[in-house]
Amino acid sequence: SYELTQPPSVSVSPGQTDRITCSGDALPKKYVYWYQQKSGQAPVLVIYEDSKRPSGIPERFSGSSSGTMATLTISGAQVEDEADYYCFSTDNSGKGLFGGGTKLTVL
Amino acid sequence: QVQLQESGPGLVKPSETLSLTCTVSGASINSDYWSWIRQSPGGGLKWIGYISHSGHTNYLPSLRSRVTMSIDTSKTHFSLNLTSVTAADTAVYFCARVRYSDSSGYYPDSWGQGTLVSVSS
Repeated sequence: SYELTQPPSVSVSPGQTDRITCSGDALPKKYVYWYQQKSGQAPVLVIYEDSKRPSGIPERFSGSSSGTMATLTISGAQVEDEADYYCFSTDNSGKGLFGGGTKLTVL
Repeated sequence: QVQLQESGPGLVKPSETLSLTCTVSGASINSDYWSWIRQSPGGGLKWIGYISHSGHTNYLPSLRSRVTMSIDTSKTHFSLNLTSVTAADTAVYFCARVRYSDSSGYYPDSWGQGTLVSVSS
């Protein structure tokens, strides 16, 4: 079955740039969306349609996609960015799915 | 600003039916798609499916035989029924608004806070 693959965890020092990847065979033809989920809270959309940022999301969050891999970049990570990050897309039959999630530690 | 709120029993017995309702405010339930997503304790997000304002549904294949979503446009809420539950269905269940377009597909954008449903006798 189709999967979106993310690294389980990444760590970054405050002020450094962090990149979280999401890979999937259908991504060349499908948009990717990124969500931030802090402990005990509902997910929040931080990137839509590969690279667009919703209003209210800090400019340090950006997204890109090339081939079978999409990337969420946090430029100058802040302590408050520590969270789980999930990518979302659809497969070729239109079924939605999330990646397994990446735990970002900022220390 | 759309707001969504899940409601329903926090405890369901094995083999029974899990029923949840999501109440929508700040947006018209008649003009968007609506979804359910769940998250097992300590686990990742899992897409369950969506229902359109006209009642069209799209379910996760592995749950399709047990899932029913419905929408009540006159009362601004939509619902999830999951039959024959087991302990594996224990999760936080989120409802969310879905943005849909023929050109760019669909995605959940605004979420409820989630409600924990435990399956246990």
